[in-house]
Amino acid sequence: NAGVTQTPKFQVLKTGQSMTLQCAQDMNHEYMSWYRQDPGMGLRLIHYSVGAGITDQGEVPNGYNVSRSTTEDFPLRLLSAAPSQTSVYFCASSSGTQNYNSPLHFGNGTRLTVT
Amino acid sequence: GNSVTQMEGPVTLSEEAFLTINCTYTATGYPSLFWYVQYPGEGLQLLLKATKADDKGSNKGFEATYRKETTSFHLEKGSVQVSDSAVYFCALSRVGNEKLTFGTGTRLTIIP
Repeated sequence: NAGVTQTPKFQVLKTGQSMTLQCAQDMNHEYMSWYRQDPGMGLRLIHYSVGAGITDQGEVPNGYNVSRSTTEDFPLRLLSAAPSQTSVYFCASSSGTQNYNSPLHFGNGTRLTVT
Repeated sequence: GNSVTQMEGPVTLSEEAFLTINCTYTATGYPSLFWYVQYPGEGLQLLLKATKADDKGSNKGFEATYRKETTSFHLEKGSVQVSDSAVYFCALSRVGNEKLTFGTGTRLTIIP
């Protein structure tokens, strides 16, 4: 019963460094997405994917890249970290296809600090 | 565009008190409405949902009714427990459950 697994749980970066936040799900979900959670702003959608090989931008995509080479994995890349990217990042998945009976399943989050 | 407004927190209640967390939305057409809950150190979990006007979602003693006339989806529980302490998010979606628009969250603390 792994569900959605995110790694690492915590990360500290210096400005300009790059890193990849990992996300994997074992539920054979087609839809996967990345959100960032900031105080007073709720969760905002960064990027999403409706299936392997297909990605699209969400509300706040700048500074982030994604790819979806397999159904299971949806990594989020920061190419040059900035202090404004300090946040808690959540990966979520669902069976999608506008299925109203399929809720989003969230990972436990990655807390990223950029100094 | 779509937006969700929920009451500012934090909210602190005594055990067995009645809970209301207000949520109103702005959206074109007929969105689906959700309440998600986030317990400390965890990701969000779906608490309840409603997909059309006058629907009532319910789970774990919580309820919310989709009110199109007032564009609201207020969360209620008749008798809260310490274990209900968490952050609650109201959200809407125009396309299935995938692209959600979240409110800012309301932190609820229940004291014994």
